[in-house]
Amino acid sequence: AQKITQTQPGMFVQEKEAVTLDCTYDTSDPSYGLFWYKQPSSGEMIFLIYQGSYDQQNATEGRYSLNFQKARKSANLVISASQLGDSAMYFCATYSSASKIIFGSGTRLSIRP
Amino acid sequence: SAVISQKPSRDICQRGTSLTIQCQVDSQVTMMFWYRQQPGQSLTLIATANQGSEATYESGFVIDKFPISRPNLTFSTLTVSNMSPEDSSIYLCSVMTGGTGGEQYFGPGTRLTVT
Repeated sequence: AQKITQTQPGMFVQEKEAVTLDCTYDTSDPSYGLFWYKQPSSGEMIFLIYQGSYDQQNATEGRYSLNFQKARKSANLVISASQLGDSAMYFCATYSSASKIIFGSGTRLSIRP
Repeated sequence: SAVISQKPSRDICQRGTSLTIQCQVDSQVTMMFWYRQQPGQSLTLIATANQGSEATYESGFVIDKFPISRPNLTFSTLTVSNMSPEDSSIYLCSVMTGGTGGEQYFGPGTRLTVT
């Protein structure tokens, strides 16, 4: 069975600083994917970034990058130059062989001005 | 990417009644998913809705309580039947593009309150 673990229930970061949100996963599937989503207070789920298990390079999307360490089964999200609008819940997720996505418990990120 | 709309955006319902939530996608997709997010919690998958076959339900969710329709590749409905206050949640529709391992997008959600 798939499992996602996010150990940081909440984080406070000063504006313009970089922040790393931790995510570890457990899977027995040789092929899998890892996702990060942002959920602001409005409730919408915003897709941020995706990493495939066979991708050679770490995924990047603008200020977001995914620090993928396959041997350690970690897929941390790095946000560079944080902004006040980055304050939200962040969910790490993985998809299983049945093509369904399993979510972690989330990390609430708060950016201080 | 995919643009997903859901109706209604929110509703307040009395216990014992049923509510049908609609999900519309702007492109044809093979797989659609329904999630529930209880207050302060993460997302929990209810079922996978595939066009042309019965929905596949996750442990703890049954068809009698959450019947799903998928009449075509751009539309699905989820019904929450015989509601109780414990059903108060946000219900989200989601689609996966690009096949297995592709990007997954979510609708804006339906905020349901059962009194």
